[in-house]
Amino acid sequence: SYVLTQPPSVSVAPGGTARIPCEVDNIAERYVHWYQQRPGQAPVLVIQSTYDRPSGIPARFSGSNSGNTATLTISRVEAGDEADFYCHVWHSPSEHHVFGPGTKLTVL
Amino acid sequence: EVQLVESGGGLVQPGGSLRLSCAASGFTFTSYNMDWVRQAPGKGLEWVSYINRYSNTIYYTDSVKGRFTISRDNDKNFLYLHMSSLRDEDTAVYYCARDSGLAGSVDSWGQGTLVTVSS
Repeated sequence: SYVLTQPPSVSVAPGGTARIPCEVDNIAERYVHWYQQRPGQAPVLVIQSTYDRPSGIPARFSGSNSGNTATLTISRVEAGDEADFYCHVWHSPSEHHVFGPGTKLTVL
Repeated sequence: EVQLVESGGGLVQPGGSLRLSCAASGFTFTSYNMDWVRQAPGKGLEWVSYINRYSNTIYYTDSVKGRFTISRDNDKNFLYLHMSSLRDEDTAVYYCARDSGLAGSVDSWGQGTLVTVSS
């Protein structure tokens, strides 16, 4: 089965930059999406198609990829950014959506 | 405003059945493909099933194939998930989700409905 790999946790001080990686096989053939999920709430799409920020998402959120790794970058981190972040791809060979295991962002 | 409101969750015994519903409003339902995504307590997101606008393309994650059935009523703007032969490991919050149409991203989520499978 197709697997996405994320670190369990990332920590950053307020005002710093958080980088959350997602290892994706054959990344050149995939669009990677990112979701933020605060405790007790539904997920929110923050980056779609690897780079694009949906309407209403602050410019502090950005997406990139290099090699086989997609990265969600959050600049000027605020306490309110603390949440779980999930990467997601559509895996066309298996006709399955696949989510990463999630990364807990802690703001120190 | 896009709204997705799930209902139908609850406590069910192993081997039992349940039907989840999702009422969609604030957008043209027939223009969007839809998904169900679940989240077990304290765990990550797991995609469950997909249905396209015309109900002629349907996919399931392997663990629910043969047990769950996704469907939609485009006249009433409802998405459904019929679940049977439920197992303990199906316990989760089930989210109704709108596929944006852009490489499978989900741009709207409901608040979820909790399904608990336990004797």
